[in-house]
Parts: sequence; C-alpha cells; structure tokens
Amino acid sequence: DAGVTQSPTHLIKTRGQQVTLRCSPKSGHDTVSWYQQALGQGPQFIFQYYEEEERQRGNFPDRFSGHQFPNYSSELNVNALLLGDSALYLCASSLVGQPYEQYFGPGTRLTVT
Amino acid sequence: DAKTTQPPSMDCAEGRAANLPCNHSTISGNEYVYWYRQIHSQGPQYIIHGLKNNETNEMASLIITEDRKSSTLILPHATLRDTAVYYCIGGGSNYKLTFGKGTLLTVNP
Repeated sequence: DAGVTQSPTHLIKTRGQQVTLRCSPKSGHDTVSWYQQALGQGPQFIFQYYEEEERQRGNFPDRFSGHQFPNYSSELNVNALLLGDSALYLCASSLVGQPYEQYFGPGTRLTVT
Repeated sequence: DAKTTQPPSMDCAEGRAANLPCNHSTISGNEYVYWYRQIHSQGPQYIIHGLKNNETNEMASLIITEDRKSSTLILPHATLRDTAVYYCIGGGSNYKLTFGKGTLLTVNP
C-alpha cells in the first residue's frame, strides 16, 4: 500500500520564477492538504482540496494556487517566487470523514535564490 | 481551533516512559485533541487522538483530564527512534491542522 508520494524531492528556483509541486495521496484517500514548513517552525496550512475544489485556505497570498485531479492527486503552484518561499512543502492526504487524521508525504525542499 | 501550549524540549532515557504534556485550556466541547510527531527530515506522522476518554493504540496512550484543559501523551517504552518533535493540536471544524512549535523529545541511550 503506497503512502503519500511527492515530487520532486528537491528544487532550486530563482526569484520571480514559477514552480509546480506534485502529490499523490495514500491509496483510498480523497482529500489532499498542503503545508509549508520553514526551518525551525511547525508546518503552516496552505489549503485543502476535496472533490477537485479548494475547501479551506490558510493565510497565504494568491500566488499560491492548487489543483486536484479526478484521481485525487494534486499540484501546488507558486508564482513570482520570493526568497521567503524557500521551505519544505508537505502534502498530506486523508479521508473526507476523518479530516484530522492526515498522512504526510516526505515533502519537497524548495530553495529560492 | 484551540490554542495549545507545550514545553519546548524534554529528555527521556531509553526504555523509560516518556510523558509529554499539553495545555489546551481553550478547547471547546466538540474539539478533539490530536498528536503528531515529526522525525528529523520526515513529514509529520499521526499518533493518536481523543475527545474525552483515555485512548491507547500501538504507538502511544493519550490521557485527557476530566476538565479537558490538558492532556498527556505517553510513550510507554521510549526508544532512540522516538526522538522527534511532538505536536499537540486541537481539532476544530475547519479541517486544517494548526501546528505550533511542539516539544522536541530527545531519547538518550
């Protein structure tokens, strides 16, 4: 039973560029959440997708957008990258009826130079 | 979501029980308490959750006080692999996990 997978594992981008991160949920899960984790901090909620729609959003600017596909996989897009966007981006999947039991992937380490 | 307070760090000897406290005095009656941990360089891992009653699973036990203002996560026989940051989270109705800074538990040989 595959767990949550994310790609790529590491990424280096330049300020102003755009980036797309990908996530495949745990088998059987229908809900995907994205988190940003800066060094030394706890993960911060970006948004959550269910039935291909954004269900909940954290305090992040519109530069952060996402998508969920019919197979429940998801993408996180960040436009106009800033140095402050450098972080570990975590994807978590869950069942709609158990929103707080989330299974996390290993994350994508994004470095913006 | 309820605000939670945890000590920044704790130490525990290998093989002994690790008791991690969490204060959640503002938790509402229908909010669960969730515990996650994050081992270095990995994504967080769900451990256990509870509402009123004490809970136990293969990883840990959760003791919630009768007034629900605090709880304790117990790892009965800590191993070196239990060294991690442990997060206590109050779950509301908006589906998101609100992580604080957690407690860094260091298990020493």
